[in-house]
Amino acid sequence: EDKVVQSPLSLVVHEGDTVTLNCSYEVTNFRSLLWYKQEKKAPTFLFMLTSSGIEKKSGRLSSILDKKELFSILNITATQTGDSAVYLCAVGNTDKLIFGTGTRLQVFP
Amino acid sequence: KAGVTQTPRYLIKTRGQQVTLSCSPISGHRSVSWYQQTPGQGLQFLFEYFSETQRNKGNFPGRFSGRQFSNSRSEMNVSTLELGDSALYLCASRGVTTNEKLFFGSGTQLSVL
Repeated sequence: EDKVVQSPLSLVVHEGDTVTLNCSYEVTNFRSLLWYKQEKKAPTFLFMLTSSGIEKKSGRLSSILDKKELFSILNITATQTGDSAVYLCAVGNTDKLIFGTGTRLQVFP
Repeated sequence: KAGVTQTPRYLIKTRGQQVTLSCSPISGHRSVSWYQQTPGQGLQFLFEYFSETQRNKGNFPGRFSGRQFSNSRSEMNVSTLELGDSALYLCASRGVTTNEKLFFGSGTQLSVL
């Protein structure tokens, strides 16, 4: 059965800290791995990765994929209170996106 | 460009009733997917429609059904509601050029009493 596992389940940090969120997967017919941020209701797209070893960056956020070891990490540097959210990892195959249960990040001032 | 629009935002129903949720995709997107989100299970795939045809289906009972209209708008129906159907129902659309990247609506929060 296809599965996506995220860790940790939750994380509490102070502003300015750096965090690393993990995502491992076992999915048949892998096509891509995506990261989303969910603050209230609608998940918003962060990154899509298809190739191993190529880092995607957007401001303080970056992500990388390892297709041999079947995992990805999402790094957030110099965290801000606005980064507080649930971060979702999803793996796309030929049929659908399969989501992990998410990592809840809380950033305190 | 308007995003994905879901109505209603909130619904309260009682066990045994049925409910219909609506989703309007981003203009030009012909694929609409539905997901159920609960605290313990995360986002679970319900089904995907493309050009009025169901393309994929998740592991949900037959009480969950959907359809898509010629303008790409989609509806999801749940019959004979159970307490466990209480969840956030998210709709997402994607275009031909966006591959697996989904654009989500704000969801319909369904509470079954």
